[in-house]
Amino acid sequence: GAVVSQHPSRVICKSGTSVKIECRSLDFQATTMFWYRQFPKQSLMLMATSNEGSKATYEQGVEKDKFLINHASLTLSTLTVTSAHPEDSSFYICSASPRGYGYTFGSGTRLTVV
Amino acid sequence: AQTVTQSQPEMSVQEAETVTLSCTYDTSESDYYLFWYKQPPSRQMILVIRQEAYKQQNATENRFSVNFQKAAKSFSLKISDSQLGDAAMYFCAYRLGGGTYKYIFGTGTRLKVLA
Repeated sequence: GAVVSQHPSRVICKSGTSVKIECRSLDFQATTMFWYRQFPKQSLMLMATSNEGSKATYEQGVEKDKFLINHASLTLSTLTVTSAHPEDSSFYICSASPRGYGYTFGSGTRLTVV
Repeated sequence: AQTVTQSQPEMSVQEAETVTLSCTYDTSESDYYLFWYKQPPSRQMILVIRQEAYKQQNATENRFSVNFQKAAKSFSLKISDSQLGDAAMYFCAYRLGGGTYKYIFGTGTRLKVLA
């Protein structure tokens, strides 16, 4: 149980365009999901907490207008990287779990902005 | 602020041997949780083991066990009978209790298992 699916696994986009990443809880409802960013050979850094039916909570230093989060249902949260630039290239991972503890991770999305 | 430190960037272990990965953390809170996650080349984060700070007994999951020293703020992971499939990045993580779900991760230790 407690499976989190993330899509796409890899995406390449042109500079200036937007890209959407989906995070789904497959066998449970998730009122809270979490979005992390991982640079090569570095640790995971929490970007934001996604709350179903309300605004996301962003960590200090994360641009809200660049990283748009929508948690429209109990099983789906989306992260949209708007006007992407090469420095946004990274590995993005979501997590969720029953009761909101967020200890199950998706398989991640490798974003490359060219 | 809470911090998590993993002082070993890389460790090696011979297959079937035992290895210990170190983790220290800093917090002024009394209610928190500690975790070890494994990240293989696929980048999928896999929960290895977790420890509640209020429990004195060290957590164990098959070949994986922890040495939780609360006063010293130390949380090491012992892997017994190491297998080739154990090769991965291992991250130590801290989460505050009481309904706060933010995780803080250490910088990771790359474990190599030698055949």
